[in-house]
Amino acid sequence: AQSVAQPEDQVNVAEGNPLTVKCTYSVSGNPYLFWYVQYPNRGLQFLLKYITGDNLVKGSYGFEAEFNKSQTSFHLKKPSALVSDSALYFCAVRDMGAYNTDKLIFGTGTRLQVFP
Amino acid sequence: DAGVIQSPRHEVTEMGQEVTLRCKPISGHDYLFWYRQTMMRGLELLIYFNNNVPIDDSGMPEDRFSAKMPNASFSTLKIQPSEPRDSAVYFCASSLARDGFNYGYTFGSGTRLTVV
Repeated sequence: AQSVAQPEDQVNVAEGNPLTVKCTYSVSGNPYLFWYVQYPNRGLQFLLKYITGDNLVKGSYGFEAEFNKSQTSFHLKKPSALVSDSALYFCAVRDMGAYNTDKLIFGTGTRLQVFP
Repeated sequence: DAGVIQSPRHEVTEMGQEVTLRCKPISGHDYLFWYRQTMMRGLELLIYFNNNVPIDDSGMPEDRFSAKMPNASFSTLKIQPSEPRDSAVYFCASSLARDGFNYGYTFGSGTRLTVV
């Protein structure tokens, strides 16, 4: 089965500094990868996805993610963090499952804390 | 569009009582998903529907949980009888598949369930 791992429960970064939230994946076949963000008391919001093509994917709010096939990673990045970026971030992978229809499998989430 | 609408936002109930969570997906979306979020287990997919038909319910914890989608604009998740370990935030999400692929889920704001 497909899976993603987020090795860090929390990432702390100072405002203005670059940030990276890590994600590694395990899939059979071509991976379809996603990042979502969850603000307090809200549902998840789509940030970006990788399907095929360029390894650097640009998404919402200035975020981007780099797909690295050799390292089976899909790390989320932003050149300059904002305090308002503080939230819970989820990596996800498409899983065709036993019923041959797709669903998303989410990682455990990484809490990003940006300090002023 | 108002997005995915879930009700109630908060529910506190006593152990043994029946609980019904409701979801209205985005109009025109053909997939509907129910997820549960806890600190211990993260985001778990419980069940999903395609065109109102349940496709994969392998994530439903046990027979106490049931879900229905009587029409394209409404779904319920029922727990009977409820137990304290069911306390979690339950999210509904919907999506529109194009070319057989779900391009991104839209999540509701969730229902925070507390069973005492």
